Amino acid sequence: EAQVTQNPRYLITVTGKKLTVTCSQNMNHEYMSWYRQDPGLGLRQIYYSMNVEVTDKGDVPEGYKVSRKEKRNFPLILESPSPNQTSLYFCASSWLAGGADTQYFGPGTRLTVL
Amino acid sequence: TQLLEQSPQFLSIQEGENLTVYCNSSSVFSSLQWYRQEPGEGPVLLVTVVTGGEVKKLKRLTFQFGDARKDSSLHITAAQTGDTGLYLCAGVSPGAGGTSYGKLTFGQGTILTVHP
Repeated sequence: EAQVTQNPRYLITVTGKKLTVTCSQNMNHEYMSWYRQDPGLGLRQIYYSMNVEVTDKGDVPEGYKVSRKEKRNFPLILESPSPNQTSLYFCASSWLAGGADTQYFGPGTRLTVL
Repeated sequence: TQLLEQSPQFLSIQEGENLTVYCNSSSVFSSLQWYRQEPGEGPVLLVTVVTGGEVKKLKRLTFQFGDARKDSSLHITAAQTGDTGLYLCAGVSPGAGGTSYGKLTFGQGTILTVHP
């Protein structure tokens, strides 16, 4: 089944404790992206990747890191999480750059930083 | 940073009524997408409009892209309870060099509730 998977689905952590949210797609997509969703703000793009080893900042990259060492995986890293990073996070992928093609979203990761 | 203003933020209507959701920006987008999101799930693409003035229909849903490619609307005719959900528009930044291509800007979303 073609899908985007994220792990974990739910995470409660404390300020400053490094964490990684994994994202994997099995559709051989070139483009992958991370978003956060907050009430009243819609989705905001954190980082995106056009291809392996190519990443670029979205609108809200501060406090986040990403890497794209292989095509199928695009992990989101929070080196020192803070409470304002409490949010619902979505990973997405598509054949072509975001917007030029259908983006497939993962099921989301709900992160709470205490 | 490009902004996309979506309105209204909340919409509560009776089954059978018509409704329109708007997305407006001062920026030009190369294309605009509409998504629908159910609780506990990721957004699902409904349509992409690319050409200024373009109109696309998906059953009872009509999507329009403004002539100047700065705004878009979603019109639902004879809403049904199954239309209830969060609707999101997303503008795709024009490709100009490598930094903006691939960027999407989402509107704040419209929570639609259709009552029986």
